[in-house]
Amino acid sequence: ETGVTQSPTHLIKTRGQQVTLRCSSQSGHNTVSWYQQALGQGPQFIFQYYREEENGRGNFPPRFSGLQFPNYSSELNVNALELDDSALYLCASSLLGSNSPLHFGNGTRLTVT
Amino acid sequence: GESVGLHLPTLSVQEGDNSIINCAYSNSASDYFIWYKQESGKGPQFIIDIRSNMDKRQGQRVTVLLNKTVKHLSLQIAATQPGDSAVYFCAENYGGATNKLIFGTGTLLAVQP
Repeated sequence: ETGVTQSPTHLIKTRGQQVTLRCSSQSGHNTVSWYQQALGQGPQFIFQYYREEENGRGNFPPRFSGLQFPNYSSELNVNALELDDSALYLCASSLLGSNSPLHFGNGTRLTVT
Repeated sequence: GESVGLHLPTLSVQEGDNSIINCAYSNSASDYFIWYKQESGKGPQFIIDIRSNMDKRQGQRVTVLLNKTVKHLSLQIAATQPGDSAVYFCAENYGGATNKLIFGTGTLLAVQP
């Protein structure tokens, strides 16, 4: 069974730039979620995708967007980067349903300078 | 890797002792709860989950207790080992079609040899 993999592991961007982060879901999972984790805090829900459509969103502005592909891989895009976007971005996959545990990748560490 | 435990509550235990990590959750409508372990430089790793129709669930060396009356979760780790050193998060799911998890602030478990 292949786990959740994310790329790149680290990334440095400049304020105002755009970034794309990638995720490959665990085999057999049909739902992918993205979380932002600031240093010393718990992960915060950004959004979730199921059947290539967003079906839940947290308190993040529209410049955070995503895609899910037919093979259940996913992208997180962030436009107009701000310094506060510096964080660990985590992808998690699961089966759809509120009683299904999320399985996380090791994240992408984004630094905005 | 950098620490995810900055400014977090810390529990320090001796190797071989039992550990109890506590968590207060926020929403009385939450029906599913998960404990995650996060080591430095890695994503959260699933430990154990429990549904709201249960008050106790056991795994290998771990037990989760749920008290819905006071909205409290605990994670008990038996015979704590150095490899258990990490930040532990509880997470709750409000229910519904999405897998949106709300994470607690985390507890740093430090195991002394």
